[in-house]
Amino acid sequence: QQQVKQSPQSLIVQKGGIPIINCAYENTAFDYFPWYQQFPGKGPALLIAIRPDVSEKKEGRFTISFNKSAKQFSLHIMDSQPGDSATYFCAARAAGNKLTFGGGTRVLVKP
Amino acid sequence: DADVTQTPRNRITKTGKRIMLECSQTKGHDRMYWYRQDPGLGLRLIYYSFDVKDINKGEISDGYSVSRQAQAKFSLSLESAIPNQTALYFCATSDTLGQGVYNEQFFGPGTRLTVL
Repeated sequence: QQQVKQSPQSLIVQKGGIPIINCAYENTAFDYFPWYQQFPGKGPALLIAIRPDVSEKKEGRFTISFNKSAKQFSLHIMDSQPGDSATYFCAARAAGNKLTFGGGTRVLVKP
Repeated sequence: DADVTQTPRNRITKTGKRIMLECSQTKGHDRMYWYRQDPGLGLRLIYYSFDVKDINKGEISDGYSVSRQAQAKFSLSLESAIPNQTALYFCATSDTLGQGVYNEQFFGPGTRLTVL
């Protein structure tokens, strides 16, 4: 049973589109919600992280929206580019800096 | 990624064999982690270590063991490999910062393990 549920599993958009990835969690003890980006043959790398007392955070073209009452959060990629094609993982942090990951979303941005 | 290295990068083995995956880091971090990645399941925590003398089981530790030989080295062993341990394995490290701060986990490049 996954504690962090991520959807969709895959996404195809045209260049300039806005892929949106959604995650939901149950455990209210989670205290940080990072997103990781993974390119083929590489390890995941941190993209952006948010605390549950913040409703939105932007870093460049990446925006996290957080809804604490609904226990949901999402990643938006503005003006997406072919170079953004990757697998994206949401995660939630518990005590001891332990991460629980969602199942991942493979994003393909077509030129 | 060069700060966290994993060896081997690829390994094919047979059922019942003992396998060791190694991880080294030059980031000076105290905390190290082992994850496995399976399609649709994301990454799941196998073991984690806060320092050389502090090793803890993660979500899916059965069938695995670890050794923290030094601050910079953390090895994962499969005592008797089985086919459902075929997966991508990642090592990660993190610093120990204060409360209220996200301690980013830095991942190695991964080891692709196939158990026949």
